[in-house]
Amino acid sequence: EVQLVESGGGLVKPGGSLRLSCAASGFTFSSYSMNWVRQAPGKGLEWVSSISSSSSYIYYADSVKGRFTISRDNAKNSLYLQMNSLRAEDTAVYYCAREGGVATGFDYWGQGTLVTVSS
Amino acid sequence: SYVLTQPPSVSVAPGKTARITCGGNNIGSKSVHWYQQKPGQAPVLVVYDDSDRPSGIPERFSGSNSGNTATLTISRVEAGDEADYYCQVWDSSSDWVFGGGTKLTVL
Repeated sequence: EVQLVESGGGLVKPGGSLRLSCAASGFTFSSYSMNWVRQAPGKGLEWVSSISSSSSYIYYADSVKGRFTISRDNAKNSLYLQMNSLRAEDTAVYYCAREGGVATGFDYWGQGTLVTVSS
Repeated sequence: SYVLTQPPSVSVAPGKTARITCGGNNIGSKSVHWYQQKPGQAPVLVVYDDSDRPSGIPERFSGSNSGNTATLTISRVEAGDEADYYCQVWDSSSDWVFGGGTKLTVL
């Protein structure tokens, strides 16, 4: 059974940093691109970042470029999101999602972890 | 950047057919994916590549895509289909893009 479990969320002050993790199991993690998607309270889904299977290709939404860094450790079946210079508008539930490909979309999602940026 | 436009809400009576649209410039040339999200839960993929269904998704869920509009169709709507629905595409200039979401209300 495919499982994605996020952790690392919490309350952080504006300008602070946080590192999210996503532990993957039930599939060959090193064969899939992975993504972070966020959802602000009461709002829609927003794609944040993606990383290819071997970390060769990394992309970011303009809203987080230069502040967030995506990475992965295939030996540990884990995905990460380092978030720096956090702003109030970064407050959201952050989901990790497995990408099946451009023609498949995001076929598995974690349960999400809440990040709250507030003084 | 590429923009996907969805109606904020759609209402339908039980047993009827719901149609949720997703508009985008020449979206017919892209693969469109649809997600269902119920309150407090993670999104679930219900249609991928315009019209394919993942295993476990009822045949009542179907999709089409042509021109500037993609459509998610839910036949014989049930109370349990009440949720938010999002369309998604990959665009070379914008990477992954989601529509704003449509709240489906079952009357």
